Amino acid sequence: DVKVTQSSRYLVKRTGEKVFLECVQDMDHENMFWYRQDPGLGLRLIYFSYDVKMKEKGDIPEGYSVSREKKERFSLILESASTNQTSMYLCASIGAGGTYEQYFGPGTRLTVT
Amino acid sequence: RKEVEQDPGPFNVPEGATVAFNCTYSNSASQSFFWYRQDCRKEPKLLMSVYSSGNEDGRFTAQLNRASQYISLLIRDSKLSDSATYLCVVSSGGSYIPTFGRGTSLIVHP
Repeated sequence: DVKVTQSSRYLVKRTGEKVFLECVQDMDHENMFWYRQDPGLGLRLIYFSYDVKMKEKGDIPEGYSVSREKKERFSLILESASTNQTSMYLCASIGAGGTYEQYFGPGTRLTVT
Repeated sequence: RKEVEQDPGPFNVPEGATVAFNCTYSNSASQSFFWYRQDCRKEPKLLMSVYSSGNEDGRFTAQLNRASQYISLLIRDSKLSDSATYLCVVSSGGSYIPTFGRGTSLIVHP
């Protein structure tokens, strides 16, 4: 069965802290994505990666960075967390040459105080 | 990437009702279409892909109208467990970056 896992379901951090969110997929997918989801705003793409060490900015990359050192792992980094980064963060992956179906992780609900 | 638009609802229907959602997309180069379901505080999960010829899966029917650039989802004989947010997703040819609608909320009541 297809699986995308995220390192934490719930996370509480203080303003100014550096935050790491990790995502691992076991499907050998080339493409991985980080989204944030806020009420009324839907899913917004932060960054995506189409290969190891490759990354592209999405719609709202400000305040975030990413790392993809291994194919199965895609990390989202909040360099200096701020209260407006309180949100649900969702990781997803898609395989190349496939049906374009996205598989999502369970999400991390991050609260920055 | 162009927008995908959905009526946010909520659609409030009794059990057993038939309900339909539409979703419009603005990028005429779009080639892949999906409906995802998202339960409260859970991740989105694929409900069904939408094919040009239309497709049916039990009580769910999806249709694509390329000329008018919209897709639809019809749910027959609604169940309480159908209560969720339904996300319309569109991808352009050659791009693995899907565009999500903001979702339509469905509430099925007894």
